[in-house]
Amino acid sequence: DAGVIQSPRHEVTEMGQEVTLRCKPISGHDYLFWYRQTMMRGLELLIYFNNNVPIDDSGMPEDRFSAKMPNASFSTLKIQPSEPRDSAVYFCASSFTGTLNNEQFFGPGTRLTVL
Amino acid sequence: QKEVEQNSGPLSVPEGAIASLNCTYSDRGSQSFFWYRQYSGKSPELIMSIYSNGDKEDGRFTAQLNKASQYVSLLIRDSQPSDSATYLCAVNRDSGNEKLTFGTGTRLTIIP
Repeated sequence: DAGVIQSPRHEVTEMGQEVTLRCKPISGHDYLFWYRQTMMRGLELLIYFNNNVPIDDSGMPEDRFSAKMPNASFSTLKIQPSEPRDSAVYFCASSFTGTLNNEQFFGPGTRLTVL
Repeated sequence: QKEVEQNSGPLSVPEGAIASLNCTYSDRGSQSFFWYRQYSGKSPELIMSIYSNGDKEDGRFTAQLNKASQYVSLLIRDSQPSDSATYLCAVNRDSGNEKLTFGTGTRLTIIP
């Protein structure tokens, strides 16, 4: 089975541009998470969905960030306009209710650089 | 105070020795505790979970939980160079709630 799929793997853009990150969770998983990882702040939860519905977006840093999950197999994280401080690795993860240990499976990440 | 705190390291341990990684958390209501391993340039992967006070062993790994002290640790016995990675402690406040809060991680280096 394929794991969590993220695209692009690397993104370099200029300040002020719109950035869209994409995620395909593991089939059958009902939770989807977006994280951001930096050296200074570690791994931070931005937002998570359950059955395509946003449950907690308290980690979204500001209105420039938005996330959608139009169906069970696809989610996007959008930054508009992007700023240099948004440079980080963005991970998508998914999990399935009822697993013994609530394991979250992470995608390979998107390394975003905003110049 | 950070919700989940870890010593950032680096922690250097000779091959074959025991590596001890520590984590403290601030929310006394936390229910579930996890250790994720992250190799450089890779994504985190779950290696241990623990829910009750005491020890839980899985191969060379032992997780220890002390809810009274709000402390969770990971022991790696017979450390191997392949154990060199960053270890992330994660805490879930509510059982049934999938939200995890991660520490910033401890970088472990096993010296051959």
